[in-house]
Amino acid sequence: DGGITQSPKYLFRKEGQNVTLSCEQNLNHDAMYWYRQDPGQGLRLIYYSQIVNDFQKGDIAEGYSVSREKKESFPLTVTSAQKNPTAFYLCASSIPGTSWGRPQHFGDGTRLSIL
Amino acid sequence: DQQVKQNSPSLSVQEGRISILNCDYTNSMFDYFLWYKKYPAEGPTFLISISSIKDKNEDGRFTVFLNKSAKHLSLHIVPSQPGDSAVYFCAASGSSGDKLTFGTGTRLAVRP
Repeated sequence: DGGITQSPKYLFRKEGQNVTLSCEQNLNHDAMYWYRQDPGQGLRLIYYSQIVNDFQKGDIAEGYSVSREKKESFPLTVTSAQKNPTAFYLCASSIPGTSWGRPQHFGDGTRLSIL
Repeated sequence: DQQVKQNSPSLSVQEGRISILNCDYTNSMFDYFLWYKKYPAEGPTFLISISSIKDKNEDGRFTVFLNKSAKHLSLHIVPSQPGDSAVYFCAASGSSGDKLTFGTGTRLAVRP
């Protein structure tokens, strides 16, 4: 059954620590994305990657880093530089080039709480 | 700068009636629009989309209407069912399709 797996579902970290969120997909999609959702707000794009070993900053990339060493995996690191990291993080994937008829598919998210 | 706006944070509808969710956008370069449905603690799931060359797209109980001159789209759900209760996001992309811009969402509650 193809899909996107985000782990863990809930994550707690102390302030000042870096934390890495996992995202794996078996849909054979080239493009992958990270979004952040805060209460009462829409999804905001953090980083995206159209192809292995390449990625671009989204609208709110400060304090985050990513890597794309494999097609299936797009981990997101929330660094200590991110001023307000507590949020719900969503990973998505799609066939790149155009979204015509090819919507992004989402994982079930990771809720990060900084203690 | 909110390029995609959903001005109604919530909507309550009786089961069996029509639900109409609205979305406005400001960027005239958007030419593809999507609606997603989201349950709590889950990722959004794709519902229906429309390209700018159309003004209507239908899929079962869901119909999306696009008014390009007004930069407005709407999602109609008819008849509404209790299982439709969720947060609905509209999203838009340009012709390259590599990024989606999301609205803030509308929480729909369908009363039995």
